[in-house]
Amino acid sequence: GDSVTQMEGPVTLSEEAFLTINCTYTATGYPSLFWYVQYPGEGLQLLLKATKADDKGSNKGFEATYRKETTSFHLEKGSVQVSDSAVYFCALTSPGTSYGKLTFGQGTILTVHP
Amino acid sequence: SQTIHQWPATLVQPVGSPLSLECTVEGTSNPNLYWYRQAAGRGLQLLFYSVGIGQISSEVPQNLSASRPQDRQFILSSKKLLLSDSGFYLCAWKAGGTDTQYFGPGTRLTVL
Repeated sequence: GDSVTQMEGPVTLSEEAFLTINCTYTATGYPSLFWYVQYPGEGLQLLLKATKADDKGSNKGFEATYRKETTSFHLEKGSVQVSDSAVYFCALTSPGTSYGKLTFGQGTILTVHP
Repeated sequence: SQTIHQWPATLVQPVGSPLSLECTVEGTSNPNLYWYRQAAGRGLQLLFYSVGIGQISSEVPQNLSASRPQDRQFILSSKKLLLSDSGFYLCAWKAGGTDTQYFGPGTRLTVL
């Protein structure tokens, strides 16, 4: 079945540092890939997505590129801020499921210090 | 634009009491609707999904149930809560034919 593996963390960075959160996946066919962010006490917000190989999703300075050859979708940001502290989830949905099942990674806690 | 609401935001209930959590979506028709639970360990577990009124599918057996009495309303219920039902419950929706789910603000349930 489908699965998503992301680095466990927690990840602790200083403000303005470079961020990478690794995400790899296993799926049949060509899944759509997502990054969601969850701020403390809140629901999940869609951060970015990509639907086909070599697509780059971007939002709020975050980027991730759909790499079919390495089955990866790593999240990057060039300069993090304290306000980026949150839990980040990588997820996929395969085109074969009729109800759009989302498969999530376990989440990565990011803490950014001033 | 579409919005999704959940209530209550927080709930503290004794073991053995009933439960009703509500989720409503505005600004769309015939959405797919989902209930997830997030335990303290961060992972998300899909509990139920619905592709239409009265159509409910369960992903995991448990003492919870779900109903969809109206097109944009999704309710999570239990007759008798267990300690293990504590967690953060998230509702999500997706437009038919698209691939992106959008989440509500969540309900924090504590069973004592």
